[in-house]
Amino acid sequence: GAGVSQSPSNKVTEKGKDVELRCDPISGHTALYWYRQSLGQGLEFLIYFQGNSAPDKSGLPSDRFSAERTGGSVSTLTIQRTQQEDSAVYLCASSSAGGSYNEQFFGPGTRLTVL
Amino acid sequence: ELKVEQNPLFLSMQEGKNYTIYCNYSTTSDRLYWYRQDPGKSLESLFVLLSNGAVKQEGRLMASLDTKARLSTLHITAAVHDLSATYFCAALPASGTYKYIFGTGTRLKVLA
Repeated sequence: GAGVSQSPSNKVTEKGKDVELRCDPISGHTALYWYRQSLGQGLEFLIYFQGNSAPDKSGLPSDRFSAERTGGSVSTLTIQRTQQEDSAVYLCASSSAGGSYNEQFFGPGTRLTVL
Repeated sequence: ELKVEQNPLFLSMQEGKNYTIYCNYSTTSDRLYWYRQDPGKSLESLFVLLSNGAVKQEGRLMASLDTKARLSTLHITAAVHDLSATYFCAALPASGTYKYIFGTGTRLKVLA
């Protein structure tokens, strides 16, 4: 399994609960990205990690959203006190930033439903 | 700040016809990407365009990049139903950041 993996694939939660979404990037990829995609919409950038640099958090919609990347590999996106408008598919991608192509590879996504 | 615009947003076409999807970007970028997304699925990489004049082809799809015009095109030749999907372009700023900027996507429906 050399691709990007995400878990869970589906998450249903109640409004006000906290959720954690996980992303395992392709081994050796130094860059990791989180995006949000609402139904029928484009990709909304949330955050990206590049090596040991401070993450670019400019896309996080509120302080209820946070993400970390441990050991330069696995990343967790946490949403606190979920709201119904948080319902969306959360996509993770990784790339070997610095290479010729810098091509992003996407995971299958986590579909979050907030009731 | 780099901005990426795609048009059209929606495209319905008959099988066998040709059409082009346009991707304009606002500031210098020399790396342009095209992705395909099937309903309920994630994004699949189609093409990576790295330099002015680059042209890539795969089957009925051909992508090109004109960095002077800040324009990339995805041309569909003799469309077939299997090409129905949403197509996204994305650009990387030339400033050295690895923050990809995505277009809004073009939802293509090929009618039999």
